[in-house]
Amino acid sequence: DAGVTQSPTHLIKTRGQQVTLRCSPKSGHDTVSWYQQALGQGPQFIFQYYEEEERQRGNFPDRFSGHQFPNYSSELNVNALLLGDSALYLCASSSPSGPSQETQYFGPGTRLLVL
Amino acid sequence: RKEVEQDPGPFNVPEGATVAFNCTYSNSASQSFFWYRQDCRKEPKLLMSVYSSGNEDGRFTAQLNRASQYISLLIRDSKLSDSATYLCAVNLGSSASKIIFGSGTRLSIRP
Repeated sequence: DAGVTQSPTHLIKTRGQQVTLRCSPKSGHDTVSWYQQALGQGPQFIFQYYEEEERQRGNFPDRFSGHQFPNYSSELNVNALLLGDSALYLCASSSPSGPSQETQYFGPGTRLLVL
Repeated sequence: RKEVEQDPGPFNVPEGATVAFNCTYSNSASQSFFWYRQDCRKEPKLLMSVYSSGNEDGRFTAQLNRASQYISLLIRDSKLSDSATYLCAVNLGSSASKIIFGSGTRLSIRP
């Protein structure tokens, strides 16, 4: 049973560039949430996708956008990168039905460094 | 005021000790609550869900106090392997729509 996978594991970009991060949910899960975790902080909710639609959004600017594909995998896009975007980006998957519907399972994350 | 607040620690306790963390939340409409464990440079892993008056799993006990809007995590007979950051998380909705995390409490168990 494959867990949540993310790619790439590490990424270095420069200010102003654009980046795309990818996530495949755990088998049987159809909901994907994205989080940003800065050093020494807890994960900050960016947005959640379900049925290929953005269902909830946190306090992040429009530079952060996403997409969910019919196979439930998801992408996070960040445009016009800033130094402050350097962080660990975590993807979590869950299922809106079933006994563990609220449990989120995290992928290993993508470490983004913006220079 | 932050939606979810935790004491950042670090808590440095000897092996075998009992340690407790608290986490407060500001939204009284919060539906469900979780404790996650995060090891250095790893992803968070679910430790326990806290749905009603609390629950126990081996050496770990989680309690919920809705009136005072806090949850707690108690670790008994602590092991060296318990050293990690413990994240409190609160679900603001009736489904997994928006989960807010605290900043985490660092725990270090010394021999």
